[in-house]
Parts: sequence; structure tokens; C-alpha cells
Amino acid sequence: DAKTTQPPSMDCAEGRAANLPCNHSTISGNEYVYWYRQIHSQGPQYIIHGLKNNETNEMASLIITEDRKSSTLILPHATLRDTAVYYCIVRVNNAGNMLTFGGGTRLMVKP
Amino acid sequence: GAGVSQSPSNKVTEKGKDVELRCDPISGHTALYWYRQSLGQGLEFLIYFQGNSAPDKSGLPSDRFSAERTGGSVSTLTIQRTQQEDSAVYLCASGSLRTSSYNEQFFGPGTRLTVL
Repeated sequence: DAKTTQPPSMDCAEGRAANLPCNHSTISGNEYVYWYRQIHSQGPQYIIHGLKNNETNEMASLIITEDRKSSTLILPHATLRDTAVYYCIVRVNNAGNMLTFGGGTRLMVKP
Repeated sequence: GAGVSQSPSNKVTEKGKDVELRCDPISGHTALYWYRQSLGQGLEFLIYFQGNSAPDKSGLPSDRFSAERTGGSVSTLTIQRTQQEDSAVYLCASGSLRTSSYNEQFFGPGTRLTVL
């Protein structure tokens, strides 16, 4: 699996957009970008994934650069409940392999 | 619908005792995973079950750890002769090959194991 690099921590004001970057310069053509988050004392939660097109769902948007070497997860209106560790994972979309979580970004949403 | 459930939520045991941790996956999910997370650390993969195939045990840290999945549903993770370094949150996740994303895993709340 391609290695990912994320900043260890970020702050965001409540109500503002949180933009979480991820570098994955060694990504290969068949690898997807996945985002999970882990709120304190809970199990990880799937957020979104994409291959090369930008994606949006009810939780977030995922912007992938044209060369696919980096991506940004956008929480459009961050709330205090979005405070969590956010993990960017690059993975081949094959059947059922385990997820490999790196250090992630600890997002602190402040009032 | 019901998510992944795990029991107990907390377990305190003495060094040398055996413990069993239970996971009830989402109904119909064929894939089941066990991970553990030590304090302040990332997730560490332990074992993966997929249908009737032989489980992927590559992440089990020692032969004191074992897991089974009965009837393709409920799974039990057993730790024999527990050590203090086994203290961690043990997380179970399940997934379905019928979803569009094979890597979308649904996690339970975890079991916090403390070995005294």
C-alpha cells in the first residue's frame, strides 16, 4: 500500500470549513483514497473514498489532485462533534483486506 | 439497523488469566476483522475472517492469541495467560462484499482490556 503523510494536528473554528490534507505521492493507478475518522473512545468511522474524481456525500467532500499525489478532505461546516483523529488511507479496492491506519490528523474544532 | 456490537465493553483481569472478547457483526456481513489499539497509538490489525475461507492470522502478536468465528457470524477473540502489554482497546469491524467499497469497514465500540 502507498504511504500517506498527514499533519499531526489542526485546529478549526466551529462553523468554518475544515480542510485536511493528505500526501500520497507513491499512489498507484489502482489504489483508492479512503478517509476514516475516530472520535475519542469510539471505533473508527468511514467517511468517504475516491479514485480520481472528486466525491461528496452527506459527511464531507474529497478533492483529489489531477496527478493523484495528494488529496484534501473537506468538512464544510465543522462542528464541535467533528473533533476527532482523521485517517487518510490509500488502498487497492480488493476484497476485504485489513486497513492500515497511520498517525492521522488530530482535528480540534474550537468554539 | 443494528451496528457491530462487542462485549464486554470493559474487562479488567489479572496477569496470567485467560479472557474472551466477543464480537457480533452486522447481519449478512461476510468479512470480520479484529484490531487492537494501545493507549495513544494507531490501530494494529490482528486477524481477518472472510466467509468460509481460512482466516488471515498474520497480525496475531503471539500464540497466546486466537480467534474463531462460529457459523460465519459471531466471533470470539481469546487471549491466554494475559500480560500487562495486552492492555488495549480491542476493536472488531465487519464488512460486506456486496457493498461497492470492499474497504468500507464498520467498527464496533471496542472492548477496553486492562491487565493488572
